[in-house]
Amino acid sequence: DQQVKQNSPSLSVQEGRISILNCDYTNSMFDYFLWYKKYPAEGPTFLISISSIKDKNEDGRFTVFLNKSAKHLSLHIVPSQPGDSAVYFCAAINAGNMLTFGGGTRLMVKP
Amino acid sequence: KAGVTQTPRYLIKTRGQQVTLSCSPISGHRSVSWYQQTPGQGLQFLFEYFSETQRNKGNFPGRFSGRQFSNSRSEMNVSTLELGDSALYLCASSLETSDTQYFGPGTRLTVL
Repeated sequence: DQQVKQNSPSLSVQEGRISILNCDYTNSMFDYFLWYKKYPAEGPTFLISISSIKDKNEDGRFTVFLNKSAKHLSLHIVPSQPGDSAVYFCAAINAGNMLTFGGGTRLMVKP
Repeated sequence: KAGVTQTPRYLIKTRGQQVTLSCSPISGHRSVSWYQQTPGQGLQFLFEYFSETQRNKGNFPGRFSGRQFSNSRSEMNVSTLELGDSALYLCASSLETSDTQYFGPGTRLTVL
């Protein structure tokens, strides 16, 4: 049973526009959510996180929104740049330190 | 501050052999977690060590084991390798449990 799902395996966006990556979860015990960016054959790079007590967290071009009632979070990248092209994973954590990852979304930003 | 380092970066083994992977966390980080990434299963949690004790374990067979040393460095061992163990093995460290985890570059293991 996938507790964290990213239903869009890929997303293509024009440079300068907004990229919106979505993530759904089923476990209401998750209390902390993270987004990671990953290039092939490299480890994930931490981007941004959000606690379950918040509904929004912003860091530069990256904003994460959390809708607890819908068990949904999203990552907004504005403006999108070609260097943002990578696979993005959302991850959730509950008590303990085990990250549960979604399947990833491949973002392609076209110049 | 140096990031998480993992050695070796690439490894080729044959079925039945065993392998040991090493991870050095970010200085000051006491929690080390291991993950396996495969095309079919995605990123899956293996186990977490904190202050030399295994605190959490994922759903992997007993062939997968690990340990942590007093300097927080960690090793992961896989015995009796199977073809399906071919994967990218990632190590992540954090200051404490439930803090943000930072990943190393991974070890690419190929089992022939």
